[in-house]
Amino acid sequence: QSVLTQPPSVSAAPGQKVTISCSGSSSNIAKNYVSWYQQVAGTAPKLLIFGSDERPSGIPDRFSGSKSGTSATLGITGLQTGDEADYYCEAWDSSLSSVLFGGGTKLTVL
Amino acid sequence: EVQLVESGGGLVQPGGSLTLSCAASGFIVSSYEMNWVRQAPGRGLEWVSYISSSGGTIYHADSVKGRFTISRDNAKNSLYLQMNSLRAEDTAVYYCARDAFKDSLDIWGQGTMVTVSS
Repeated sequence: QSVLTQPPSVSAAPGQKVTISCSGSSSNIAKNYVSWYQQVAGTAPKLLIFGSDERPSGIPDRFSGSKSGTSATLGITGLQTGDEADYYCEAWDSSLSSVLFGGGTKLTVL
Repeated sequence: EVQLVESGGGLVQPGGSLTLSCAASGFIVSSYEMNWVRQAPGRGLEWVSYISSSGGTIYHADSVKGRFTISRDNAKNSLYLQMNSLRAEDTAVYYCARDAFKDSLDIWGQGTMVTVSS
């Protein structure tokens, strides 16, 4: 059981918007940066969001991140079939001295 | 090109040992914090180990503490994971990843599969 909690799955139609939540605690999300990763089946994870709300170069602005208190959210607009993947949140936990990943959310674009 | 390439995975019996390697190109490993992350078949990502850029700070997940050791060879620009007393639950794809902007893992290798089975 992951310390960072994500919904197991979300779905939406092409062109629509979806949000994925990540719930943590005062020792991880509340005081540290959150990152988000996209993992297409059979491939390595890819960094989508760092610093809770910043995008690396090459990541389209359809992807956005936000954080409030002990929760973080990944938003994806203008959904495309190519966005179908597993999405993971990640944060450092200052009490555990550990990197934490959420359990992952499978996005289906209907 | 900035790249990480893992090697050393394979089939090992329970209780056995294995050393994974991660060769970096396009950047200097000793200038960055580095991590190992694993993914069991059909499961999510699980962080395994961290080493600071100086090498002076090392962390391991509780699930591998006392059995796994992360290390680095600056001359070979490579990262390693020494795994001892392997268990069936250590079966996973193991990724090395660079820790760059604001604690994010920006560069990942392609992964190497470790199977622990008799």
